[in-house]
Amino acid sequence: NAGVTQTPKFQVLKTGQSMTLQCAQDMNHNSMYWYRQDPGMGLRLIYYSASEGTTDKGEVPNGYNVSRLNKREFSLRLESAAPSQTSVYFCASSEWRGYGYTFGSGTRLTVV
Amino acid sequence: AQKVTQAQTEISVVEKEDVTLDCVYETRDTTYYLFWYKQPPSGELVFLIRRNSFDEQNEISGRYSWNFQKSTSSFNFTITASQVVDSAVYFCALSDVGMKTSYDKVIFGPGTSLSVIP
Repeated sequence: NAGVTQTPKFQVLKTGQSMTLQCAQDMNHNSMYWYRQDPGMGLRLIYYSASEGTTDKGEVPNGYNVSRLNKREFSLRLESAAPSQTSVYFCASSEWRGYGYTFGSGTRLTVV
Repeated sequence: AQKVTQAQTEISVVEKEDVTLDCVYETRDTTYYLFWYKQPPSGELVFLIRRNSFDEQNEISGRYSWNFQKSTSSFNFTITASQVVDSAVYFCALSDVGMKTSYDKVIFGPGTSLSVIP
C-alpha cells in the first residue's frame, strides 16, 4: 500500500531550466493537491484538482502549471525555474471534504 | 474567515516530561474537521488524528491524547512521557466542510516545533 508517491526526492536546477514533479496515489482518492513549504511561511497551496479532469489555482500558482493525467496522477511543472521556487514540495490526496490529506514524502528542490 | 493558530512556535522538554501543544481555530461553520499532523526531521508529513465538530470526546492513543473543546475553539494535543522520537514539527489543521468548495480545503496552522532532550 504505497499511498502517495512523489518523484524525485531531490533536485537541483539552474535558473531557467524546466522540470516536472510527478505524483501518483493508489487510494482511489478524488482530490489531489500540490503544496510548497518554506521556512516561516508554512504550507501554501499551489494548485489543486478536485476531481479527475479539473484543476484550479491555489494561493501561490504563479510560475507553475499542473496536469491531472488521470485519477491517479497529478504532476507539477516549472517551466522556467527561479531561485524563489527553491522549496520543499508536497503532493497530497484526499478522498472527500473533511477526510484530510495523505501526503507524499516531498521533493526538495533547489534552484541556483 | 477560517484560521488556525498555534501560539507556541518552539517547545523544549526533557525526555519523560508531559507536553501539551495548543491549537486554537476559527470558523463560522458548525460542520468541520480538525487534524493533527507530525513532521519529523526526515521531512514527511504524517497524519495523526481527525476529529469532527460533533464529537467532543477526548481521544487517547498510547502516549498521545487530544482534548477538543468547542466552547474555547481549541484542539490541544498532549504527549505523555515524551521521548526523543517525538521531536518534530506538529501541525494543527482545519477542514471546513460547511463551505461550498469542491475540494477538501484544509487550513494549516504555522506549526509547533517540539524538541525532546534526552
